[in-house]
Amino acid sequence: AQSVTQLGSHVSVSEGALVLLRCNYSSSVPPYLFWYVQYPNQGLQLLLKYTTGATLVKGINGFEAEFKKSETSFHLTKPSAHMSDAAEYFCAVTDQGYGNKLVFGAGTILRVKS
Amino acid sequence: SQTIHQWPATLVQPVGSPLSLECTVEGTSNPNLYWYRQAAGRGLQLLFYSVGIGQISSEVPQNLSASRPQDRQFILSSKKLLLSDSGFYLCAWSRATLGLAGAYEQYFGPGTRLTVT
Repeated sequence: AQSVTQLGSHVSVSEGALVLLRCNYSSSVPPYLFWYVQYPNQGLQLLLKYTTGATLVKGINGFEAEFKKSETSFHLTKPSAHMSDAAEYFCAVTDQGYGNKLVFGAGTILRVKS
Repeated sequence: SQTIHQWPATLVQPVGSPLSLECTVEGTSNPNLYWYRQAAGRGLQLLFYSVGIGQISSEVPQNLSASRPQDRQFILSSKKLLLSDSGFYLCAWSRATLGLAGAYEQYFGPGTRLTVT
């Protein structure tokens, strides 16, 4: 079965600093991977996805992620954090069963300090 | 473009009362539909998913049920709420897949905050 591990339930960075949110996955087949962001009391918004092809994926709001098969990782980065990036971030992998289900990580809350 | 709606946005219900949460999708046909719950500090839990009208799959045995009476309508229900049913309920949709998993992302609604007192 597929699984996702997000290292660090809370990450704190200063405004302007690099953002790095870690995600490792387990999958018995080539994975499809996603990052979502959730602001308080809102639904999840897709940041980016990896399906096939280029392993460096660019998303919205200046975020990008790199698929590394050898490390089974899909870490999310942003060169310079903004206050508006403060939110919870979820990594997900497609479940290899019926129904296009997603398996989500536990989430990482990003705090941006001024 | 596609839009997903959920209502109500917030709900406070006493223990033992019934529940009905509604989700509708516009701008697409034959979507896969999903209900998730977020309890405080516990991440996202998939409750139900549906690949077509009247087709419901339950992921976790619980006090809730789901129905899909129309192609783009998904309803979450309970006959008697428990305190443990409190949480943030999210509906999502994705493009339909033929057979096994595809590479389609899910799109989420704004959520319903349910408090059972």
